[in-house]
Amino acid sequence: QQQVKQSPQSLIVQKGGIPIINCAYENTAFDYFPWYQQFPGKGPALLIAIRPDVSEKKEGRFTISFNKSAKQFSLHIMDSQPGDSATYFCAASMRSGNTGKLIFGQGTTLQVKP
Amino acid sequence: DAGITQSPRHKVTETGTPVTLRCHQTENHRYMYWYRQDPGHGLRLIHYSYGVKDTDKGEVSDGYSVSRSKTEDFLLTLESATSSQTSVYFCAISVGGRGSNQPQHFGDGTRLSIL
Repeated sequence: QQQVKQSPQSLIVQKGGIPIINCAYENTAFDYFPWYQQFPGKGPALLIAIRPDVSEKKEGRFTISFNKSAKQFSLHIMDSQPGDSATYFCAASMRSGNTGKLIFGQGTTLQVKP
Repeated sequence: DAGITQSPRHKVTETGTPVTLRCHQTENHRYMYWYRQDPGHGLRLIHYSYGVKDTDKGEVSDGYSVSRSKTEDFLLTLESATSSQTSVYFCAISVGGRGSNQPQHFGDGTRLSIL
């Protein structure tokens, strides 16, 4: 199965809250899991990425948690700000073929209220 | 800035007409990709290229063709546009040496409407 399932579709939090976006996959050959942030009228921009040999990775206010046995990973945004309002995509890829092809989740639209 | 330029940025055309979208990169990266973005589907890979004249299909390649005659340019062609191809199209590049598991950088997209 090549799908990556992302939830929720949309999310509204107050400033300072911790939005959590979840993704699940089936293909155990996936071994690279990036998250992208997209603002209106712009292309997705790489936010943070994780490999399955670690359970958590932090970069600034953004944290990825990874559960290999459950085949799930999630993005947490600490101390969220109105400027974090954007659409977030999880993705997955695998080493075989070395093509770097990404399979994307459906996206989550986040609104952070002041 | 990964030096990706997409053109045109917006286009409106009629069903049955041919359409070509261009992706230009300035940094000689080997791998280039075309995705389409639709509500509820995220981004889906149309075609990708791993070198000059070397291309392959992605998950939604029907109705699309690509060409790469120079490292810096990757063209996406809709031979006979249909309304189902109305979408936002993104070009991306891999900045790693072999394209595997390396971050992909995206252009700002082409919004294509087919009436």
